[in-house]
Amino acid sequence: RKEVEQDPGPFNVPEGATVAFNCTYSNSASQSFFWYRQDCRKEPKLLMSVYSSGNEDGRFTAQLNRASQYISLLIRDSKLSDSATYLCVVTGGSYIPTFGRGTSLIVHP
Amino acid sequence: DTEVTQTPKHLVMGMTNKKSLKCEQHMGHRAMYWYKQKAKKPPELMFVYSYEKLSINESVPSRFSPECPNSSLLNLHLHALQPEDSALYLCASSQDHRQGETQYFGPGTRLLVL
Repeated sequence: RKEVEQDPGPFNVPEGATVAFNCTYSNSASQSFFWYRQDCRKEPKLLMSVYSSGNEDGRFTAQLNRASQYISLLIRDSKLSDSATYLCVVTGGSYIPTFGRGTSLIVHP
Repeated sequence: DTEVTQTPKHLVMGMTNKKSLKCEQHMGHRAMYWYKQKAKKPPELMFVYSYEKLSINESVPSRFSPECPNSSLLNLHLHALQPEDSALYLCASSQDHRQGETQYFGPGTRLLVL
């Protein structure tokens, strides 16, 4: 079993739709969780950190479920500019950041 | 300023060449990272420097040699690379590696080995 797993997609949604991604992790000692966004041929950019209490930034909401060992990202009112690959990153007890393979999102008019 | 810079942006080299990739950050971060990313794959961690000392080497072949001259700079020396080493090489930094802090990535160097 891979340490961090994501559905690669692609998720193909119309503008204005709500879309959710999950990311599961295998190491129960994991401590830090992040969502990054990566556009084609660009570097990953931090979208948001993920906390146990959940956090929201505009149209984006991230949640952490430690009991079931997954994190989620919810995007409301999707925009064309949201089209990208969304990478989850989990840092475990060894302090090695581990990336999921990424979920591709395509928002169409 | 949350900027990490990398040079060069693009690099083409032969298998017998020696070249270096450079990375710089001025955020006062004490952890710096090298990643390799192939097309349609996630970044793969290569090396981590923490307080200018090599902290993690993810079993990277010796043809890749990292160097951290000071807390702001990170180099990756390349020698006798293979065509399969062609990839995007990303540098990142964070405040402290052992705290699981947010990493900030540079734009990467796109490397082609002929």
